[in-house]
Amino acid sequence: QAVLTQEPSLTVSPGGTVTLTCGSSTGAVTSGHYPYWFQQKPGQAPRTLIYDTSNKHSWTPARFSGSLLGGKAALTLSGAQPEDEAEYYCLVSYSGGVWVFGGGTKLTVL
Amino acid sequence: EVQLVESGGALVQPGGSLRLSCSASGFTFSSYAMHWVRQAPGKGLEYVSAINNNGDNTYYADSVKGRFTISRDNSKNTLYLQMSSLRAEDTAVYYCVRRTPVFDYWGQGTLVTVSS
Repeated sequence: QAVLTQEPSLTVSPGGTVTLTCGSSTGAVTSGHYPYWFQQKPGQAPRTLIYDTSNKHSWTPARFSGSLLGGKAALTLSGAQPEDEAEYYCLVSYSGGVWVFGGGTKLTVL
Repeated sequence: EVQLVESGGALVQPGGSLRLSCSASGFTFSSYAMHWVRQAPGKGLEYVSAINNNGDNTYYADSVKGRFTISRDNSKNTLYLQMSSLRAEDTAVYYCVRRTPVFDYWGQGTLVTVSS
């Protein structure tokens, strides 16, 4: 089974910009993998931020954006807020209806 | 308002069985595929199982194939996960997730603990 690799932890200053990435062991992540990004705060259920590479739900703050970067799915946070401190997970679709989560990135806003 | 409420989590012995439920409201349940995702204590998310809107197409992760069965009752707006031959590594919070065809709403989860 494919493995998705995310940065274990990242730190961003308030108001700063940070990019989280999600790489696949099988090769480049493309739009055909329909990459997702989820945010999870301690003690809470995950929340869907980004779907199909770059699309946002109605509740997704504008400061979050999704893209493909160097063969990886990427989540960029521009203008970090203290409330953005959370764990972030990517999810990718493979053939045969297989969905795989990345290991998560713990984002600290400090 | 879309709501997904999981229930049925409990402490169960290794080798035992348990059925989880996810009660849906605020939308036309029979129109949406539904999924189960789990999270072991202090660990990341793991995709478990999926079912299409009318229940005739299902998917299972290798880790649960042959032991778990996903089903739904559209007349009751409820999703189920029947779990058998439970192992310690099945200990996790189990979330149900709606797919529209994109994943959007998550329930709050129900905790399953497999321990003697």
